Amino acid sequence: KQEVTQIPAALSVPEGENLVLNCSFTDSAIYNLQWFRQDPGKGLTSLLLIQSSQREQTSGRLNASLDKSSGRSTLYIAASQPGDSATYLCASRNTGNQFYFGTGTSLTVIP
Amino acid sequence: NAGVTQTPKFRILKIGQSMTLQCTQDMNHNYMYWYRQDPGMGLKLIYYSVGAGITDKGEVPNGYNVSRSTTEDFPLRLELAAPSQTSVYFCASSAPINEQFFGPGTRLTVL
Repeated sequence: KQEVTQIPAALSVPEGENLVLNCSFTDSAIYNLQWFRQDPGKGLTSLLLIQSSQREQTSGRLNASLDKSSGRSTLYIAASQPGDSATYLCASRNTGNQFYFGTGTSLTVIP
Repeated sequence: NAGVTQTPKFRILKIGQSMTLQCTQDMNHNYMYWYRQDPGMGLKLIYYSVGAGITDKGEVPNGYNVSRSTTEDFPLRLELAAPSQTSVYFCASSAPINEQFFGPGTRLTVL
C-alpha cells in the first residue's frame, strides 16, 4: 500500500522568501501526482498535476517536480506572499484508481 | 460552471440514524470520488466511480454505500451512523487520469 509523507508538517516563512515543500511516496508505480491547496474549513483547490512521464510542471510562481525513481516530489513557491498561507497537500494516483494523500504541510507566510 | 457541489454543508446525526450526502458535478466527468478527511490523518478514499452504473471500493468503504445512476450525481449513503464516521466528507470528479476537482465538503458529526 502506498504511503505518502509530507515533511515538515508546518512551516513559517517571512514574506518574499522562496520555499520548497516536500512529498515522498513509497510506491513509484504511480500514474500521476497532484498538488493541492486547502484553506481552513474549505475544500481542496488543484494547483498542479504531474503525469508519471513528466519531470515538472509550472504555473505562475509555482513549480512542481517529480522524481519517480527516488519517490519524491517537490513544490517550489517563489516570492511567497501572505495569501499563500494555507495547507498544501500532495496525492499520488496509483493502479486501480486508488489515490493516496499526504497529511499536508501548513504554511504561514508572515508579512 | 458550478463545478462540484455538495449538500448539506453541515449535519448532526444521532447514532444509528441514516443519511445521504449528495454530490453533483457539471463538468461531464466520468470519474467521481468520495473521501473523508480526519484531523491529522489526511484524506482517505471511500468509494469511486468510473462511469454511470460502475462503482468500486476505496481504502475505507465499511459503513458506506454509493450508487451512480447518472454521470452528474454520485450520492454517498451512511447506514447506521457511528461516532467513528464523524468527519469531513469531500466529493471530487475528474476526467480519466487527469486532475481532480473537489467540492466544498460536508461536515458530519455523529453523537
